[in-house]
Amino acid sequence: AQSVTQLDSQVPVFEEAPVELRCNYSSSVSVYLFWYVQYPNQGLQLLLKYLSGSTLVKSINGFEAEFNKSQTSFHLRKPSVHISDTAEYFCAVSLGAQKLVFGQGTRLTINP
Amino acid sequence: DTAVSQTPKYLVTQMGNDKSIKCEQNLGHDTMYWYKQDSKKFLKIMFSYNNKELIINETVPNRFSPKSPDKAHLNLHINSLELGDSAVYFCASSQDPRAAYGYTFGSGTRLTVV
Repeated sequence: AQSVTQLDSQVPVFEEAPVELRCNYSSSVSVYLFWYVQYPNQGLQLLLKYLSGSTLVKSINGFEAEFNKSQTSFHLRKPSVHISDTAEYFCAVSLGAQKLVFGQGTRLTINP
Repeated sequence: DTAVSQTPKYLVTQMGNDKSIKCEQNLGHDTMYWYKQDSKKFLKIMFSYNNKELIINETVPNRFSPKSPDKAHLNLHINSLELGDSAVYFCASSQDPRAAYGYTFGSGTRLTVV
């Protein structure tokens, strides 16, 4: 069965520090991978996605994620976070099963 | 111009009542979904429709009934509401049924059953 695991339920960091949110998935076939962000009391917004090609994908606000097939991971990173990055982050996987399966979410809290 | 819109945004109702949540998308997508987000933020798919045809019906009580009058609309009707139905319900749409390009989400409907 397809599953997605986000290894940290909460990640507190100081402003301007680097951060990594971890995501692992289980699948024996090709996958499409996504990171979504949910700001308080809002819906989910697509942050970035991996469909094919370069394994490093980037968002417009400084986040990046790298697809690692051998480790079945798609970790999200940012070299320097801002207070406005405080949100819940969800990793999601689609392998053609007609739906996205989401991880449990990671709450990123930025402290000044 | 909102891509995926849900109404209402908040819904407070008593146990045993029947309520509906509406969803509309103006993206021209063929596939629409309902997800439930519980108090721990876990997202679980409930239903999906592709061009008005039911594709996915997860293990959901039959008190929940989706309806898709056309491919731009997917409504959710809930009968005999229970306390455990309290959650945030998200509508989403995608370009194709494989969700290969991801979803566009609505802003959610927070349902509180008292």
